[in-house]
Amino acid sequence: QKEVEQDPGPLSVPEGAIVSLNCTYSNSAFQYFMWYRQYSRKGPELLMYTYSSGNKEDGRFTAQVDKSSKYISLFIRDSQPSDSATYLCAMSLNYGQNFVFGPGTRLSVLP
Amino acid sequence: SQTIHQWPATLVQPVGSPLSLECTVEGTSNPNLYWYRQAAGRGLQLLFYSVGIGQISSEVPQNLSASRPQDRQFILSSKKLLLSDSGFYLCAWTSGQTDEQYFGPGTRLTVT
Repeated sequence: QKEVEQDPGPLSVPEGAIVSLNCTYSNSAFQYFMWYRQYSRKGPELLMYTYSSGNKEDGRFTAQVDKSSKYISLFIRDSQPSDSATYLCAMSLNYGQNFVFGPGTRLSVLP
Repeated sequence: SQTIHQWPATLVQPVGSPLSLECTVEGTSNPNLYWYRQAAGRGLQLLFYSVGIGQISSEVPQNLSASRPQDRQFILSSKKLLLSDSGFYLCAWTSGQTDEQYFGPGTRLTVT
């Protein structure tokens, strides 16, 4: 079993749709959870950073962490064509070390 | 605000040639620094990380090496490139106080 699994997509949705992106992981010791957006041929951009279980909202983005199920989600409301990118989940055990990334989900938002 | 730079942006090198990629961070001190490689359609693979000058930890055995000659400078090197070294190389930093990790623009390396 891979340490972090993520549906590679591509996922195509119409503009204005609610998008749900998900990752599952195997190591129950992960404590910090992140979502990154990566445009083609660019470095990843940190979108959301959460600690332990719960929800965090920032504008159109909501991150959910369910440690009991080892499952994290990113929701994008009112999706825009500019949201078209690859979304990477990531997690870590402790400060500054042991970062593990999912392979990414490619999202296309169609106008 | 903090900024992270990488250069060059693109590089094409023949097999067996040396490599030097540079990363610098502005606007922070004592950052943790990281080198990742991203192969096409795959996740990020951590290559090296550093918590201070001269302190380098290697995550994956390979023909690459890293050095940190200054607090905010991180260099990735190779003496002889292999075809398998092709990929997108990303430098990243954290403050060491949180795990919010920020990435540079990347260097696309093609070994021919």
